[in-house]
Amino acid sequence: DAGVIQSPRHEVTEMGQEVTLRCKPISGHDYLFWYRQTMMRGLELLIYFNNNVPIDDSGMPEDRFSAKMPNASFSTLKIQPSEPRDSAVYFCASSKQGFANEKLFFGSGTQLSVL
Amino acid sequence: GDSVTQMEGPVTLSEEAFLTINCTYTATGYPSLFWYVQYPGEGLQLLLKATKADDKGSNKGFEATYRKETTSFHLEKGSVQVSDSAVYFCALRSRGSQGNLIFGKGTKLSVKP
Repeated sequence: DAGVIQSPRHEVTEMGQEVTLRCKPISGHDYLFWYRQTMMRGLELLIYFNNNVPIDDSGMPEDRFSAKMPNASFSTLKIQPSEPRDSAVYFCASSKQGFANEKLFFGSGTQLSVL
Repeated sequence: GDSVTQMEGPVTLSEEAFLTINCTYTATGYPSLFWYVQYPGEGLQLLLKATKADDKGSNKGFEATYRKETTSFHLEKGSVQVSDSAVYFCALRSRGSQGNLIFGKGTKLSVKP
């Protein structure tokens, strides 16, 4: 099993540009999560999907952020326009069935730097 | 709402020292509790878990016991190694949460030879 795959691994962009982060969850997992990690705030849940449907997007900071999951094997997190304060590591994670004791499998993250 | 509080780091220890990282939680009902570890440049991975009171999770020499009376899930290891240097996250998942994990802010551990 290849695990959760995220791309790109690093992204450097200028303020105002559109940024798209990509994630391929583990096959058979029906929950997908997007997290943001910063020194100040730690790990924050941005949004999660169940069977490709967004369940809770209350963590999405602003309308500049949007996420989609067009099918069971692909999700994107888009920031438009990007700002320097969006600089962070963005993690995608997936899990099966969402039971309380199921573990999350994390990708290696995308390090985003907005100049 | 549900929350997790863990001790602030960084924690610096010598090899073979005893490790404790404190974690307390606030939750309705009886959540499942987890410790995740993040090695440099990698995503988080599950270290251990406990799903009910008095359960002890263990893995790679690490242990944590689910203490309902003190709402705690402290991580311990008797003898740390340099390879244990990482960031450790305590987390909970409420049974009604539909899968959402709530994480603490993480504790960075550095082990010196």
